[in-house]
Amino acid sequence: KAGVTQTPRYLIKTRGQQVTLSCSPISGHRSVSWYQQTPGQGLQFLFEYFSETQRNKGNFPGRFSGRQFSNSRSEMNVSTLELGDSALYLCASSIQNTGELFFGEGSRLTVL
Amino acid sequence: DAKTTQPPSMDCAEGRAANLPCNHSTISGNEYVYWYRQIHSQGPQYIIHGLKNNETNEMASLIITEDRKSSTLILPHATLRDTAVYYCIAYLYNNNDMRFGAGTRLTVKP
Repeated sequence: KAGVTQTPRYLIKTRGQQVTLSCSPISGHRSVSWYQQTPGQGLQFLFEYFSETQRNKGNFPGRFSGRQFSNSRSEMNVSTLELGDSALYLCASSIQNTGELFFGEGSRLTVL
Repeated sequence: DAKTTQPPSMDCAEGRAANLPCNHSTISGNEYVYWYRQIHSQGPQYIIHGLKNNETNEMASLIITEDRKSSTLILPHATLRDTAVYYCIAYLYNNNDMRFGAGTRLTVKP
């Protein structure tokens, strides 16, 4: 059974640009969560989607957005990038409402 | 949401049991205790969870006190590969909102 796949694995952007990250969950998993991880703030919850609906949202500005498609694949977008957005972005999938999350390897974003 | 508190770091000798404590004194009756770990540069990995009873699986054991105000994750025979950050989380099932704290950095030493 394939795991959670995140693309791209690494990317470099400059301030002011936008970025889109993709997450393909484990087959059959309908919940997708996104996290940002930085050395200073640790693992912070961004948002969670289920059946194309955002159910939960963390405390991030509106520049951070996401969506989920009918096949459960998810994307997150960060607009007007800032230096502080440099981080590892992790996606996790799960069967509905279980606490057992399966994480991908992450997308490491560097903003210059 | 209930908050959890964990020591920032711990050491353990290889082959010995690692006992990682977690305090969750404000946990509500329907919040589960979940444990994850994150090995450097990888995504977190689920370890175990429980509500009231002690739990055991192939990775670890979870001991929850009777008053549910604290718990201990036990790795029975720690190896160098168990060096990681361990997160204890109080989780409400129908919330689907898993929040990670700072965790405990466990270093297993030869």
